[in-house]
Amino acid sequence: KAGVTQTPRYLIKTRGQQVTLSCSPISGHRSVSWYQQTPGQGLQFLFEYFSETQRNKGNFPGRFSGRQFSNSRSEMNVSTLELGDSALYLCASSLGTSGKPSTDTQYFGPGTRLTVL
Amino acid sequence: QQQVKQSPQSLIVQKGGISIINCAYENTAFDYFPWYQQFPGKGPALLIAIRPDVSEKKEGRFTISFNKSAKQFSLHIMDSQPGDSATYFCAVGSARQLTFGSGTQLTVLP
Repeated sequence: KAGVTQTPRYLIKTRGQQVTLSCSPISGHRSVSWYQQTPGQGLQFLFEYFSETQRNKGNFPGRFSGRQFSNSRSEMNVSTLELGDSALYLCASSLGTSGKPSTDTQYFGPGTRLTVL
Repeated sequence: QQQVKQSPQSLIVQKGGISIINCAYENTAFDYFPWYQQFPGKGPALLIAIRPDVSEKKEGRFTISFNKSAKQFSLHIMDSQPGDSATYFCAVGSARQLTFGSGTQLTVLP
């Protein structure tokens, strides 16, 4: 079974631009979660989508948004990029049917490395 | 508010030694305690996980020890190998999300 795929793997943008990242979950998985990973803040939860609905949201500004399509693929958008948005953005998929991470193992993709200049 | 504190930040162990990484949490509502392993250029991968009704779980060379009263849990890697060199993250899970520790960079010397 193919793993979680993320595109693109690397991205360079300038301040003020916007960016869209894509995540394709493991086949059969309906939940997609997004995380931001930085050396200073570590892994921080952005949001989770299940069946095209945002089920949970972390503590990030409204510039960070996402959506999920009917095939469970998800996109994350960051508008008005800031230098501090430079990070590795990870998506993780899980079955999502239990609604709890204790029974929904999350499988991470390799991430998209975003650099904001 | 830091919900999970992980230590040490880095760890160097000789091949064949025992690596121990610790995590402490604050909220007793957490009900899932996984450890993730991350190699450079890769996403984190689930290594082993435990629920609070169990005090210890072992899978191969990896063991989680869980102390509910102290709100602490730890990862023990027995017979550490150079291939174990990676960054390890503990996490705490609730109904809706995982919250990760800051990570421990483990280096196993040959």
